[in-house]
Amino acid sequence: EDQVTQSPEALRLQEGESSSLNCSYTVSGLRGLFWYRQDPGKGPEFLFTLYSAGEEKEKERLKATLTKKESFLHITAPKPEDSATYLCAVQAEGGFQKLVFGTGTRLLVSP
Amino acid sequence: EAGVTQFPSHSVIEKGQTVTLRCDPISGHDNLYWYRRVMGKEIKFLLHFVKESKQDESGMPNNRFLAERTGGTYSTLKVQPAELEDSGVYFCASSLRQGLMNTEAFFGQGTRLTVV
Repeated sequence: EDQVTQSPEALRLQEGESSSLNCSYTVSGLRGLFWYRQDPGKGPEFLFTLYSAGEEKEKERLKATLTKKESFLHITAPKPEDSATYLCAVQAEGGFQKLVFGTGTRLLVSP
Repeated sequence: EAGVTQFPSHSVIEKGQTVTLRCDPISGHDNLYWYRRVMGKEIKFLLHFVKESKQDESGMPNNRFLAERTGGTYSTLKVQPAELEDSGVYFCASSLRQGLMNTEAFFGQGTRLTVV
């Protein structure tokens, strides 16, 4: 069964204090790994898709990387507005398109 | 461009009643998905439409849940009769179909369902 585990569950950072979020996954064959950001009361907002080991993508202060077993979301010099829950999801190869989500990492960035 | 829209944003119903959730996907998106998050758990897949056809309904919990997508446009998810364990946030998402590939899914804001 496809599975996604995210760590830590919660992370508190000071503004400017860089860190990384981890997403470990097991999937029969990886079609894609997705990172989403979710603010309270809102739906997940798409950030990145990674397709193969070694791939990296960047957007502002965020950088996502992928290996054969895990993905990292690196946050460089975070700001309070980066506070949110970050969700990782995988999509398996085959005919179905469903996303399998982890429980997320709640990030709080203090000024 | 309008995003994925869900109605209502909140619904509180009594056990045994019926509730219908609606989702309007992004215009032109053939793929439409329903997901659910129950308290303290991860977001879980319910089903996937391609246009008006059900592509994958492996996540539907039981036959009290009925999803439809009229004419390949908006979709409804009906819960009848509702049980306490159906409480949670129901998300709808849509994505574009490009040949054999699908683009990333865009999510609505969710419908928070509370069954009392």
